[in-house]
Amino acid sequence: QKEVEQNSGPLSVPEGAIASLNCTYSDRGSQSFFWYRQYSGKSPELIMFIYSNGDKEDGRFTAQLNKASQYVSLLIRDSQPSDSATYLCAVNPTGNQFYFGTGTSLTVIP
Amino acid sequence: DTAVSQTPKYLVTQMGNDKSIKCEQNLGHDTMYWYKQDSKKFLKIMFSYNNKELIINETVPNRFSPKSPDKAHLNLHINSLELGDSAVYFCASSQDMGNPGYTFGSGTRLTVV
Repeated sequence: QKEVEQNSGPLSVPEGAIASLNCTYSDRGSQSFFWYRQYSGKSPELIMFIYSNGDKEDGRFTAQLNKASQYVSLLIRDSQPSDSATYLCAVNPTGNQFYFGTGTSLTVIP
Repeated sequence: DTAVSQTPKYLVTQMGNDKSIKCEQNLGHDTMYWYKQDSKKFLKIMFSYNNKELIINETVPNRFSPKSPDKAHLNLHINSLELGDSAVYFCASSQDMGNPGYTFGSGTRLTVV
């Protein structure tokens, strides 16, 4: 079983819609959760992190964490074509360990 | 100013050769990493250095050797390159091991022919 699982997609949404990206993780003791965006041919860039159960909002992005269900998601409101990228979920179970999912490819259609 | 810079950006080489990739960060971070991203976009950690000491050494072949002359630099040397080594290698840094919000370098696309 992989430590972090994401639906690889591709996920297509129309411009202006809400994009919902999901991630599950296997280590129940995980403490920190991150979302990275990676444009084609570029390096990953950190867009959100969350440590506590519930929602965390930053502009058009909302991260949601449910530790009981071992589930973290990213919502992108008012999706724009510039949001088209691969979104990587990353989990820090303990100490030095840090695992990435394989990413979900998002396409926002104008 | 580039926060995490790595060179070269592209590297094409023949099987059996030895090559190095260099990484430097000017963020004052204590921890640096090497990640390998395969063709399916899977990012896997290879090494982590915290203030010049190796902290993580995942199960990578010993043909790969990290070298950190100081906490701002982490280089990756690869001996006897194989076809399966073809991937994008990312250097990254973070404030410390307890704060793994990474800043990534732009990546080195290694192609072994």
